[in-house]
Amino acid sequence: AQRVTQPEKLLSVFKGAPVELKCNYSYSGSPELFWYVQYSRQRLQLLLRHISRESIKGFTADLNKGETSFHLKKPFAQEEDSAMYYCAAAPTAGGTSYGKLTFGQGTILTVHP
Amino acid sequence: DSGVTQTPKHLITATGQRVTLRCSPRSGDLSVYWYQQSLDQGLQFLIHYYNGEERAKGNILERFSAQQFPDLHSELNLSSLELGDSALYFCASSVGGASKTLHFGNGTRLTVT
Repeated sequence: AQRVTQPEKLLSVFKGAPVELKCNYSYSGSPELFWYVQYSRQRLQLLLRHISRESIKGFTADLNKGETSFHLKKPFAQEEDSAMYYCAAAPTAGGTSYGKLTFGQGTILTVHP
Repeated sequence: DSGVTQTPKHLITATGQRVTLRCSPRSGDLSVYWYQQSLDQGLQFLIHYYNGEERAKGNILERFSAQQFPDLHSELNLSSLELGDSALYFCASSVGGASKTLHFGNGTRLTVT
């Protein structure tokens, strides 16, 4: 079964500390991986996708196919990074499920001053 | 605001009742996705419509149904409501049928009493 697992529901760090939000996936084929973020009182929005290999707001995520992980990292957390973060996966092939995202349970990140 | 619009924002109803949630996609987007977010299940994919046609179904109950109209707005109908249906229901849209970059609405919070 297709599954995305975020083992931590809550994660707290202090400002300036490194942060890593874990994501593991169990997926047939080679899925496309994403991180979505939901700031307080805002809608869920795309943060980054692994095929772009980009850094958004200082965050990066490396796809490790051997470990089937896609952890989100930032070397120096900021208070404005406090939000709910969702890891998601989608099939890369066509078929009846294209466009469908499977989300993890989400991790609430709190960055303390 | 040309983003995804969902109405109503909040809905409180009794068990056994039927409700309709409405979603207007972003201008130009042809795909609409419905997700259910509950405390214990996270974000669960329900159904995907592309240009009026159903494209994929997820864990959608038989008591639930959806449709996408010619003007591309979508409605999610929930019937014979149970307490466990209380959740946040998100609609998302994307340009194509296979796009993985979803744009989310603010959600409709349904409370079944």
